[in-house]
Amino acid sequence: GAVVSQHPSRVICKSGTSVKIECRSLDFQATTMFWYRQFPKKSLMLMATSNEGSKATYEQGVEKDKFLINHASLTLSTLTVTSAHPEDSSFYICSAIPGDRGVYEQYFGPGTRLTVT
Amino acid sequence: KQEVTQIPAALSVPEGENLVLNCSFTDSAIYNLQWFRQDPGKGLTSLLLIQSSQREQTSGRLNASLDKSSGRSTLYIAASQPGDSATYLCAVKETSGSRLTFGEGTQLTVNP
Repeated sequence: GAVVSQHPSRVICKSGTSVKIECRSLDFQATTMFWYRQFPKKSLMLMATSNEGSKATYEQGVEKDKFLINHASLTLSTLTVTSAHPEDSSFYICSAIPGDRGVYEQYFGPGTRLTVT
Repeated sequence: KQEVTQIPAALSVPEGENLVLNCSFTDSAIYNLQWFRQDPGKGLTSLLLIQSSQREQTSGRLNASLDKSSGRSTLYIAASQPGDSATYLCAVKETSGSRLTFGEGTQLTVNP
């Protein structure tokens, strides 16, 4: 199988603080990881694509200075929401593509619920 | 720009009924199409993946078809059960390494 984990599953933080979300591929090496944001009863919106060892590619309209993405290893990508505000409250989901299996299917993490008070 | 639409947005059926969920996409030049299930507050579970060269895929009570030329896919669920209640998302990938473009999902409720 291909398992992706996220930590934490839920986080509540105060407005103005920063919060880091981790995405890990547990049993494969992920050359590419994706970060999505999902609003209630809405679909997933791609925020950025990260490749190991290089800068993330952000989608139009996503503030790269606010949503910092680091893909420092083949099994870990982090999303840091800086100076969080209530409008950043959302469900954040990551996915990863195995780089060592010759397939391009994305495997999704369980998501992180961020609430900014 | 690829756009994915799912109809209906919500569906409520009695247990045991067969049902069809629809997905359409605007650019037929896709690499594959995937159907996912999402339970409330949870991540995505992949149900079926159809490569662009395929017409359908089956897994248990689920059957997904793909008509690339018309930009449509359907997910057929046979003999629905209350445990099938969830949001079903379809997503298309345009090239082998590219991102997925998602529809907004169909929220399914199967009533016992």
